[in-house]
Amino acid sequence: DSGVTQTPKHLITATGQRVTLRCSPRSGDLSVYWYQQSLDQGLQFLIQYYNGEERAKGNILERFSAQQFPDLHSELNLSSLELGDSALYFCASSRDRRNNQPQHFGDGTRLSIL
Amino acid sequence: AQSVTQLGSHVSVSEGALVLLRCNYSSSVPPYLFWYVQYPNQGLQLLLKYTTGATLVKGINGFEAEFKKSETSFHLTKPSAHMSDAAEYFCAVRTGGNNRLAFGKGNQVVVIP
Repeated sequence: DSGVTQTPKHLITATGQRVTLRCSPRSGDLSVYWYQQSLDQGLQFLIQYYNGEERAKGNILERFSAQQFPDLHSELNLSSLELGDSALYFCASSRDRRNNQPQHFGDGTRLSIL
Repeated sequence: AQSVTQLGSHVSVSEGALVLLRCNYSSSVPPYLFWYVQYPNQGLQLLLKYTTGATLVKGINGFEAEFKKSETSFHLTKPSAHMSDAAEYFCAVRTGGNNRLAFGKGNQVVVIP
């Protein structure tokens, strides 16, 4: 058990809809990262938050947004969903922003767009 | 930008044989390198990491990796494969600031009895 909790585990929805994925980091971790895993693109970094502030953006679509709340949990919002958004979405956390800090991953949310 | 290359999406190994997964990286800054394992329907679990210091790094489950700067490599090995090693393995490199990771495409390891 990594200590990172993601909910829900599975999400099935239709094109055009909006969903929210939730992540609770390990106790004491200030940094949260979101990744997307798909068959064609592999594991792609989406966005990072540190202590409530956005720190880095990767290959995140404009239809996607995220935030980190004062209690350090994070949410990833996906809107105007398309078939290609079907993927496994991982949240990871680390103690801080230092580059030698390992990231600990949750079990992911599997998003299926019908 | 930093990147990782893992060749051979599927790797078959006999039980008891050597496991060797290759990882080559490109990085414009001193690399921090990681190997993660993903079991079916689970998240990524850290196997081992190299940041500074000793270039031979030992991880969990009997795995180890050696950082070779001259070859820009960080290959993962295990002397004797076990059935429980069947999983997908990802090599990752720190990219940019703020501890972001860039992952390779992964190696799906199949262990043959």
